[in-house]
Amino acid sequence: ETAVFQTPNYHVTQVGNEVSFNCKQTLGHDTMYWYKQDSKKLLKIMFSYNNKQLIVNETVPRRFSPQSSDKAHLNLRIKSVEPEDSAVYLCASSLGQGISNERLFFGHGTKLSVL
Amino acid sequence: GEQVEQRPPHLSVREGDSAFITCTYTDPNSYYFFWYKQEPGASLQLLMKVFSSTEINEGQGFTVLLNKKDKRLSLNLTAAHPGDSAAYFCAVRYNYAQGLTFGLGTRVSVFP
Repeated sequence: ETAVFQTPNYHVTQVGNEVSFNCKQTLGHDTMYWYKQDSKKLLKIMFSYNNKQLIVNETVPRRFSPQSSDKAHLNLRIKSVEPEDSAVYLCASSLGQGISNERLFFGHGTKLSVL
Repeated sequence: GEQVEQRPPHLSVREGDSAFITCTYTDPNSYYFFWYKQEPGASLQLLMKVFSSTEINEGQGFTVLLNKKDKRLSLNLTAAHPGDSAAYFCAVRYNYAQGLTFGLGTRVSVFP
């Protein structure tokens, strides 16, 4: 049963456009994440965020930015998409604020195709 | 940073046989380890998390072995059945700031 909701499921766009993906969790968790799953199925952390701290993976291009209105929402904006941004973007959440053994709960993912 | 290598990328097994997947990691300071299962079209679901050294953990229909000395994490699907057909991902966590580092995944197909 999914408790991390992502929209849209799919998005097709052209190079240079701006896109935004939404993520909402109903678990009351304090921390949310964005992962990128590329065509080789490699999962890479992009951001982790709670109401106190945003942690950015230093390899993430600056055109990506997380946006949060409250701890239940963490959206992902891509300012000007590039072809290599085509991937599945997975949102996740965890209960606490920095305990390394926490379980992650994942959304179903948003598949982005950049033409 | 942490590197995780997962083998094999694909695995086809007969129903009732075992399926064995291995991940090796590089950072000796990693101490939290996870196995996730992703069925076609579905989200990642946690199978098991382990954080002890050289430990065998048994779940429903599978066994997880962690050998910190060799920096190796293994998943053994015992007596595989069609419901085990999925992608399996190992994940390693060094610290909170780094999130999880995932392996590339193993596609398991169980045939009659």
